[in-house]
Amino acid sequence: DAKTTQPTSMDCAEGRAANLPCNHSTISGNEYVYWYRQIHSQGPQYIIHGLKNNETNEMASLIITEDRKSSTLILPHATLRDTAVYYCIAMTTDSWGKFQFGAGTQVVVTP
Amino acid sequence: GAVVSQHPSWVICKSGTSVKIECRSLDFQATTMFWYRQFPKQSLMLMATSNEGSKATYEQGVEKDKFLINHASLTLSTLTVTSAHPEDSSFYICSADGTSGSNTGELFFGEGSRLTVL
Repeated sequence: DAKTTQPTSMDCAEGRAANLPCNHSTISGNEYVYWYRQIHSQGPQYIIHGLKNNETNEMASLIITEDRKSSTLILPHATLRDTAVYYCIAMTTDSWGKFQFGAGTQVVVTP
Repeated sequence: GAVVSQHPSWVICKSGTSVKIECRSLDFQATTMFWYRQFPKQSLMLMATSNEGSKATYEQGVEKDKFLINHASLTLSTLTVTSAHPEDSSFYICSADGTSGSNTGELFFGEGSRLTVL
């Protein structure tokens, strides 16, 4: 599975949109991009995933570049409860479930 | 959404004893479950894949005789840390595939179990 690169940390103001970048320049055609987050001392929580097209759900939007080498997770209106470590993971269906978590991005939402 | 539950949430044990952690899928069947470990200020590390009715497959560097995994039913996997030592103190997290084998959807994680070995 492709290695992903994320910024170590980000600060975001409450109520504003949070844009979290992820670089996956070696991603292959059959690798999905998954986003999870982990609030302190809890298990990871699924946010969204996509292959080629942009995706949106009740939590976030996922924008994948046309060449698929990078993506951005957008939290449209950040709240204090969105403070967490956000993980971007590239994975094929062959290795489904065997998530290789990187360091992720520590997002701190401030009032 | 689907729920994965772990028990206990936290456990303290003496060095040399064994500890069992349960992972249950509450409203779906999971033929495959995964066990992760997370040390303080570090990311999650995959330990093993638990397959219902067959032996677990372990990641490189994980001792299968120390971390015993049993997946006897479609809703329960257990991780037993045998002869625990202080260096085994960690946050253990399980996950389960709730997509009925489609392999492209959401993976559900438990709340985690914090093990402290004295």
